[in-house]
Amino acid sequence: AQRVTQPEKLLSVFKGAPVELKCNYSYSGSPELFWYVQYSRQRLQLLLRHISRESIKGFTADLNKGETSFHLKKPFAQEEDSAMYYCAPFSGGYNKLIFGAGTRLAVHP
Amino acid sequence: NAGVTQTPKFRVLKTGQSMTLLCAQDMNHEYMYWYRQDPGMGLRLIHYSVGEGTTAKGEVPDGYNVSRLKKQNFLLGLESAAPSQTSVYFCASSLGGGSLFFGEGSRLTVL
Repeated sequence: AQRVTQPEKLLSVFKGAPVELKCNYSYSGSPELFWYVQYSRQRLQLLLRHISRESIKGFTADLNKGETSFHLKKPFAQEEDSAMYYCAPFSGGYNKLIFGAGTRLAVHP
Repeated sequence: NAGVTQTPKFRVLKTGQSMTLLCAQDMNHEYMYWYRQDPGMGLRLIHYSVGEGTTAKGEVPDGYNVSRLKKQNFLLGLESAAPSQTSVYFCASSLGGGSLFFGEGSRLTVL
């Protein structure tokens, strides 16, 4: 069965601390992996995708096929990073994006 | 460009009533999706469409129906609302692949 797990419901850190939001997936085939973010009172938006291998707002994510993980990392968290983050594998065969339960990141001053 | 627009943004229903949520996109996207967002459960896919005139079931389709008569519109219907359908509903569209554009959400309360 296709499954995506974000084990932390809440991650609370202080400004300047490193951040790692975990995502593990169980999928047949080779899904494309995405991270989406939802800031307070804003619509959900794409943060980054694994195939582009880019850094957005200081965040990076590396796909580890051996561990089936796609953790999101940032070396120095900022208060404006406080938001809800969702990991989402995309099944090309079915054209469906399935979301994890999400992790709320709270960055304190 | 308005992007993805959902109407209404808020609605309160009584159990058993029916309603339709409208999603409109002006980006000429082929794919459209309806999700519901509940605390602790993330976003769950209700139904989706891969093109005009097509619909398909997602993870939690029961109690909902959809129609895609026009490419730019994707309607989500509740024939007989239940309290378990109290949620925030999000519509999204894409050209294909996992890069979705989302609407602002519609908050539905069923009493």
